[in-house]
Amino acid sequence: AQKVTQAQTEISVVEKEDVTLDCVYETRDTTYYLFWYKQPPSGELVFLIRRNSFDEQNEISGRYSWNFQKSTSSFNFTITASQVVDSAVYFCALSVGFNKFYFGSGTKLNVKP
Amino acid sequence: GAVVSQHPSWVICKSGTSVKIECRSLDFQATTMFWYRQFPKQSLMLMATSNEGSKATYEQGVEKDKFLINHASLTLSTLTVTSAHPEDSSFYICSVPYFGIRGNSPLHFGNGTRLTVT
Repeated sequence: AQKVTQAQTEISVVEKEDVTLDCVYETRDTTYYLFWYKQPPSGELVFLIRRNSFDEQNEISGRYSWNFQKSTSSFNFTITASQVVDSAVYFCALSVGFNKFYFGSGTKLNVKP
Repeated sequence: GAVVSQHPSWVICKSGTSVKIECRSLDFQATTMFWYRQFPKQSLMLMATSNEGSKATYEQGVEKDKFLINHASLTLSTLTVTSAHPEDSSFYICSVPYFGIRGNSPLHFGNGTRLTVT
């Protein structure tokens, strides 16, 4: 069975602080994909990143970085120097074969000015 | 530009009426589309997989007679909430798998439909 856990329900930070959103996943498949999506108050889901199970390279994109560790089944997301516009709900998701996506419960990030 | 168009963005209806939500793939053909439901402050839950030319596949616990799905063409899937009740009020999101040049996300989402049943 597949499962994604985002233990942090809500996080509040002050602008310019760094923040890390945790994601722990469970799967017995050896080939799988991990994703992060952002959902601003307007509701639409914005794709942020995809990572394959056989690629443990960390990735940095501007202020965003992702740390993938298969040993701990984690795929954490860090925002450096957070901004008010980063306020949103962030979802981590797992997919095996792209047929089904399993979403975590989401972490609501509040960035205060 | 958008890959998936979902309409309407929001709808308010009276209890007992039916509501149809459309999901269109733009510029490409989609034999499969997914319908998700999201309750306030909760995650997205897969309701069903819409298959062009055949019956939809529903997830466990989802009433197929309540949530009618029709995938009549390669670019359009519709979700009809029949005899809506207040507990059906939710945010419904469609998504389409697509590995085109628009990015690395294999799943493109519509903007969602907020349904409120009074």
